[in-house]
Amino acid sequence: EIVLTQSPGTLSLSPGERATLSCRASQSVSSSYLVWYQQKPGQAPRFLIYGASRRAIGIPDRFSGSGSGTDFTLTISRLEPEDFAVYYCQQYGSSLLTFGGGTKVEIK
Amino acid sequence: QVQLVQSGAEVKKPGASVKVSCKASGYTFTNYDINWVRQATGQGLEWMGWMNPNSGDTGYAQKFQGRVTITRNTSITMAYMELSSLRSEDTAVYYCARVVRWALASTDYYYLDVWGKGTTVTVSS
Repeated sequence: EIVLTQSPGTLSLSPGERATLSCRASQSVSSSYLVWYQQKPGQAPRFLIYGASRRAIGIPDRFSGSGSGTDFTLTISRLEPEDFAVYYCQQYGSSLLTFGGGTKVEIK
Repeated sequence: QVQLVQSGAEVKKPGASVKVSCKASGYTFTNYDINWVRQATGQGLEWMGWMNPNSGDTGYAQKFQGRVTITRNTSITMAYMELSSLRSEDTAVYYCARVVRWALASTDYYYLDVWGKGTTVTVSS
């Protein structure tokens, strides 16, 4: 089973700052199967990025994804108040899904 | 619009079973797999398994093998997740989610695009 490790666990930033979130896989992952979600308290996850770098419909262009192999990154170029949330990466392979442990982006 | 509407909260005793439903609307139910994911309070997302509503084929995370069963009723576009031999550690919010899988220029993509709002299952004596 592929393990996804997200870092940092918590990111304390101010609105307008840049957020860089990491997702590292225990073995190589197909980029096309690497996905990012956002989750706010009391809500279901929201689909943000697929194929490591392709934004879902309606996702602002301040969100961008990159990476390949075992190292992937979600970048939020300028944090808006509504972006403070928990972010999860997820991979799919061999009919199995795994999620990373999440990174909480909190207001500093 | 595409929606997944889940059944209401459940309280169960240890050793019992729970069956959570997920009603799909706004799309052709049999064209998209359904996955189940759970989340304990304050914890991350944990994948449980998938189902192809067309064929009924399923696949489960090893952790839940033998305890979880995902089924469907295509006539009423409903998916179900049943978890047996409940213990306190199974207390969590359970989500169903639709899978989108498509190919572009020989590249396959796979993601969970629409989620239900979640069903809280509490296991307590």
